[in-house]
Amino acid sequence: GQQLNQSPQSMFIQEGEDVSMNCTSSSIFNTWLWYKQDPGEGPVLLIALYKAGELTSNGRLTAQFGITRKDSFLNISASIPSDVGIYFCAGLDNAGKSTFGDGTTLTVKP
Amino acid sequence: ETGVTQSPTHLIKTRGQQVTLRCSSQSGHNTVSWYQQALGQGPQFIFQYYREEENGRGNFPPRFSGLQFPNYSSELNVNALELDDSALYLCASSIDTRAGTEAFFGQGTRLTVV
Repeated sequence: GQQLNQSPQSMFIQEGEDVSMNCTSSSIFNTWLWYKQDPGEGPVLLIALYKAGELTSNGRLTAQFGITRKDSFLNISASIPSDVGIYFCAGLDNAGKSTFGDGTTLTVKP
Repeated sequence: ETGVTQSPTHLIKTRGQQVTLRCSSQSGHNTVSWYQQALGQGPQFIFQYYREEENGRGNFPPRFSGLQFPNYSSELNVNALELDDSALYLCASSIDTRAGTEAFFGQGTRLTVV
């Protein structure tokens, strides 16, 4: 089945630093999504990408849909303590079926 | 808060038993998707319901079944529970089935099978 490789698995950074994480796949996806999940909560959508090459920002977050449609990255600039959480990428195929990565756990030290 | 509510929040069952989990979708949403999230992993797609019909299924055995009601709320049923079924079960509702349509997740039901 489809699999997404998300990296890094975890990150420990200082407040104010920039963060970058990415997802790669052996399959092509039509849509890439980035979610954040806090403890005890369901994932919350951060950014949706619909076209190969698309670069989209949402505040301090920027994500790109790779040209090959097999990868995506998420950048967070000037991290703050509330950025702590688990970040997931997800790809949607033609049938609308979603495949999630295993997440990047972000810890921000004040 | 997304408006998607799941019940119960926590549940403990014995191996071999059956369980029913419930999800109320956000107002105006006719599509519900169910996911299984094991500890330390991303959510795995189980199936999706659109207007009371199954509209896509992931790699889960037939003992995972579902229903969607006329008010678009949904149930996930799991028969013959196994220890590996212990996980967080998430439902997500969206306004329709189009790929990329924003899905809003509930807080999940934590199922423990002993």
